[in-house]
Amino acid sequence: SQQGEEDPQALSIQEGENATMNCSYKTSINNLQWYRQNSGRGLVHLILIRSNEREKHSGRLRVTLDTSKKSSSLLITASRAADTASYFCATDRMDSSYKLIFGSGTRLLVRP
Amino acid sequence: NAGVMQNPRHLVRRRGQEARLRCSPMKGHSHVYWYRQLPEEGLKFMVYLQKENIIDESGMPKERFSAEFPKEGPSILRIQQVVRGDSAAYFCASSTGQGARGNTIYFGEGSWLTVV
Repeated sequence: SQQGEEDPQALSIQEGENATMNCSYKTSINNLQWYRQNSGRGLVHLILIRSNEREKHSGRLRVTLDTSKKSSSLLITASRAADTASYFCATDRMDSSYKLIFGSGTRLLVRP
Repeated sequence: NAGVMQNPRHLVRRRGQEARLRCSPMKGHSHVYWYRQLPEEGLKFMVYLQKENIIDESGMPKERFSAEFPKEGPSILRIQQVVRGDSAAYFCASSTGQGARGNTIYFGEGSWLTVV
């Protein structure tokens, strides 16, 4: 069964607005990672948050993790057209930490 | 520092042929992972290898698929007698230690296999 599930599946916003994507998972994890994928390209690592962390920032990105609710959110502030991409969360289970389990992603469209 | 290098980027094979995908991990990385992505889906784990060892191949189809990571040279994902359902993007990733226990896993640009 899927470990990470992103919500919403698709999101369309105007340039300059904030974009929030959510991820839920089922089992205990070591870390949760967010990746971006442009169409036809590989995955770009955005941020890793450990299970004992609650919030992490990187530039215009803010990631939160709530292990009690088994959920995470990715916030992109002041979005740009170049942020248009699919965003995936990936978790690793404590019993197989080497195996990342991806959700099906949120497809973000930022309209200029 | 070059990233994870995959080749070919695009590969077209007729049904029944063999597909061979290559992956060179990032410098200093000895852990390699292969993932498959079907259209409009997330990545699915296939196999985890260290040099000369397959650690976990639980995500690999039992038949026609094999992977290796020899002492010298790139990791190879081999698909024999390809079928249309094998059409997908195949991503290689690498890490320094056993990911993802605090180790960031870096992905290559992928190899897009089309079976005609």
